[in-house]
Amino acid sequence: GQSLEQPSEVTAVEGAIVQINCTYQTSGFYGLSWYQQHDGGAPTFLSYNALDGLEETGRFSSFLSRSDSYGYLLLQELQMKDSASYFCAVLDTGRRALTFGSGTRLQVQP
Amino acid sequence: DGGITQSPKYLFRKEGQNVTLSCEQNLNHDAMYWYRQDPGQGLRLIYYSQIVNDFQKGDIAEGYSVSREKKESFPLTVTSAQKNPTAFYLCASTGTGLNGYTFGSGTRLTVV
Repeated sequence: GQSLEQPSEVTAVEGAIVQINCTYQTSGFYGLSWYQQHDGGAPTFLSYNALDGLEETGRFSSFLSRSDSYGYLLLQELQMKDSASYFCAVLDTGRRALTFGSGTRLQVQP
Repeated sequence: DGGITQSPKYLFRKEGQNVTLSCEQNLNHDAMYWYRQDPGQGLRLIYYSQIVNDFQKGDIAEGYSVSREKKESFPLTVTSAQKNPTAFYLCASTGTGLNGYTFGSGTRLTVV
């Protein structure tokens, strides 16, 4: 089976940098994805890491270390609109479907 | 515009009733998925389908059923056997990459 661990809540101020960590256990592994979900809305895809290293997309970056079964999402120059829940997810080789973590609620304060 | 349409947005069900949630996509995606989300929690996989006329159980399939007769459509039936159906239901699809899901806007089901 699969399991993912991420912090339940993170608070930061506008303009700051925040890192949301994710550790995973899975029997087979394709890669680690990140999704953003605003209250009452649908999740939207942010990034995907199949290989070790850092992937950058604008203010958001995502990192993966396959040897450590660990990844993180880095959000820079935080804005109020970044207040949302962030989910890491793994795509395992056996099932070909995403398994999601329980989510990290990010609160950006003025 | 391509996307996924879920209907209805809100649904109320009486105890003992079956209800069907609609999910339609015009993205030409082969794979489709149903997830359940409870307040303050992550998404749990109910059923998924990689191709027409084929589907597999996810982690919490008991009390649910699906069909995949057309590529565009993947309806979910919540049966009376589902003991605690009140939740937010999300449908998703993806193409050959499998990792970048597109989600519908969800159906909020409440048992009254």
